[in-house]
Amino acid sequence: QKEVEQNSGPLSVPEGAIASLNCTYSDRVSQSFFWYRQYSGKSPELIMSIYSNGDKEDGRFTAQLNKASQYVSLLIRDSQPSDSATYLCAVISSFGNEKLTFGTGTRLTIIP
Amino acid sequence: KAGVTQTPRYLIKTRGQQVTLSCSPISGHRSVSWYQQTPGQGLQFLFEYFSETQRNKGNFPGRFSGRQFSNSRSEMNVSTLELGDSALYLCASSKEPGQGPDTQYFGPGTRLTVL
Repeated sequence: QKEVEQNSGPLSVPEGAIASLNCTYSDRVSQSFFWYRQYSGKSPELIMSIYSNGDKEDGRFTAQLNKASQYVSLLIRDSQPSDSATYLCAVISSFGNEKLTFGTGTRLTIIP
Repeated sequence: KAGVTQTPRYLIKTRGQQVTLSCSPISGHRSVSWYQQTPGQGLQFLFEYFSETQRNKGNFPGRFSGRQFSNSRSEMNVSTLELGDSALYLCASSKEPGQGPDTQYFGPGTRLTVL
């Protein structure tokens, strides 16, 4: 079992709809969770971080964390064509160890 | 302020050769991490350097090595290249280690192709 798992997609969502991206992780002591966006041919860009159970909202993005179920999700409201990218989920397992473990990413396409 | 720079941007090598990749962090950043990205395995942590010392290491064979210089620039070396080493190699810099990805910035990457 991979440490961080994501559905590779592609996930197609109509423009203006909500895109929902999911990620599960295997290490129960994981403390910090991150979502990156990576456009084709570009480097990853951090878009959300979440550290405690519940929801965290930033503009059109909402990250959701459920440590009991070991999953973290990213919702993108009012999806735009510019949101088309690969979204990477990443986890840091313990404090003091900054080694990021990434999922393989979900490719999201917003259909105009 | 200039971002993280990586050289070269593209590289083609043959099996058995060795390669050295360079990363110059953002000015004032002293921590450099290296990652390998492949379609099959995704983005995987290679190692992290701070103050010329390796602080953290991922699960890669000894063919992968790195170092950091006193000006915080870092190099990684891959010896005896294999086809499976074809990947995008990314480095990321931050001011200090332990501050989390919120303060870490990725470079554009070096695309290595092994023939």
